[in-house]
Amino acid sequence: GEDVEQSLFLSVREGDSSVINCTYTDSSSTYLYWYKQEPGAGLQLLTYIFSNMDMKQDQRLTVLLNKKDKHLSLRIADTQTGDSAIYFCAESPYTGGGNKLTFGTGTQLKVEL
Amino acid sequence: DSGVTQTPKHLITATGQRVTLRCSPRSGDLSVYWYQQSLDQGLQFLIQYYNGEERAKGNILERFSAQQFPDLHSELNLSSLELGDSALYFCASSPDREVAYEQYFGPGTRLTVT
Repeated sequence: GEDVEQSLFLSVREGDSSVINCTYTDSSSTYLYWYKQEPGAGLQLLTYIFSNMDMKQDQRLTVLLNKKDKHLSLRIADTQTGDSAIYFCAESPYTGGGNKLTFGTGTQLKVEL
Repeated sequence: DSGVTQTPKHLITATGQRVTLRCSPRSGDLSVYWYQQSLDQGLQFLIQYYNGEERAKGNILERFSAQQFPDLHSELNLSSLELGDSALYFCASSPDREVAYEQYFGPGTRLTVT
């Protein structure tokens, strides 16, 4: 079955790098996503990676995928206070009939001055 | 702003009642997804519609139903409401493909059942 796990909290100092980790179980996953949720807001798609890729970089964001270990990470360089939010990892196992997202529990990132 | 709109933003109702949540997808998106976010269950997929037809079903209760109309907007109907149905309900839409890579979420409807 599908299961996505994340640690619940991460605290970093402004200017440092943040690394948020995620593990998933479904070996048929084709796409893996990172979403950001700020208080009282919806989910903002940050980036996604196809399962045949190892890495994807987009400005301050770097996604690393270790398919063998089913481990996904999101690195945020030069973390700012505006990055404080909950970050969700999600997977999409392609079934040919849609691509529902299975989300992790979310990691709350707190950025301290 | 993702381009996905949801109404109402907040809804307070009593147990046993029925409510309808509305979603308008991004312009041109044919797929609409509904998700529920609650403290104990986290974010869970409920149901997907593609161009008016049900495409995939998740952990959706029998008391809940959805539909997608010809203008592509979607409604999620929740009936015989229970306290445990209190949650944030998100709608998402994805581009004009059957297998779509990006889902864009609306701001959500916060449902409180008292």
